Amino acid sequence: GENVEQHPSTLSVQEGDSAVIKCTYSDSASNYFPWYKQELGKRPQLIIDIRSNVGEKKDQRIAVTLNKTAKHFSLHITETQPEDSAVYFCAAPSGTSYDKVIFGPGTSLSVIP
Amino acid sequence: GAGVSQSPRYKVAKRGQDVALRCDPISGHVSLFWYQQALGQGPEFLTYFQNEAQLDKSGLPSDRFFAERPEGSVSTLKIQRTQQEDSAVYLCASSTPQDNYGYTFGSGTRLTVV
Repeated sequence: GENVEQHPSTLSVQEGDSAVIKCTYSDSASNYFPWYKQELGKRPQLIIDIRSNVGEKKDQRIAVTLNKTAKHFSLHITETQPEDSAVYFCAAPSGTSYDKVIFGPGTSLSVIP
Repeated sequence: GAGVSQSPRYKVAKRGQDVALRCDPISGHVSLFWYQQALGQGPEFLTYFQNEAQLDKSGLPSDRFFAERPEGSVSTLKIQRTQQEDSAVYLCASSTPQDNYGYTFGSGTRLTVV
């Protein structure tokens, strides 16, 4: 089955700096990679995802890059703001279906004003 | 409804008690998922449904855990003879191909077994 690892487990950045979170996965057949943001005490929310037919996707201040050969993908947040402080989870499908995903252990991001 | 609704929001159970957690997905969402999230950890897969069919229950920790979705809409996760290690937040999510399979999560049920 799929195994998803995530680094770092915690990350502190100054407001305005960039933050990068990296994930690796084990199943070479995986083809869909979402990222979720979970604020304290709240539900996880999908913030961006990427499919295996592209190497990068951007949405305003967030971007995701994918390296299928190395089986890793990364979340990039530029011009960080205090409201970006949260736990971020990457995920990858278990098998070739998009339906079921396995989550990484999470990265706690703190943006210091 | 507009989102995924879970009830109760909080549940305190005495060890050995049975509990039932409810999930009402977004109308029309075919796929429904249950995850368990322990404090400070990522969501762990429990089981999932496509319509009323339970396609995967490989994540259920023991035979004390049971899930159903009899009419392909509302789902119930039942835990029998609760134990302290069952204490966690139980998250329900639904998805649809029309939304590119991204999950919409409910607010979760925080279960505390005392």
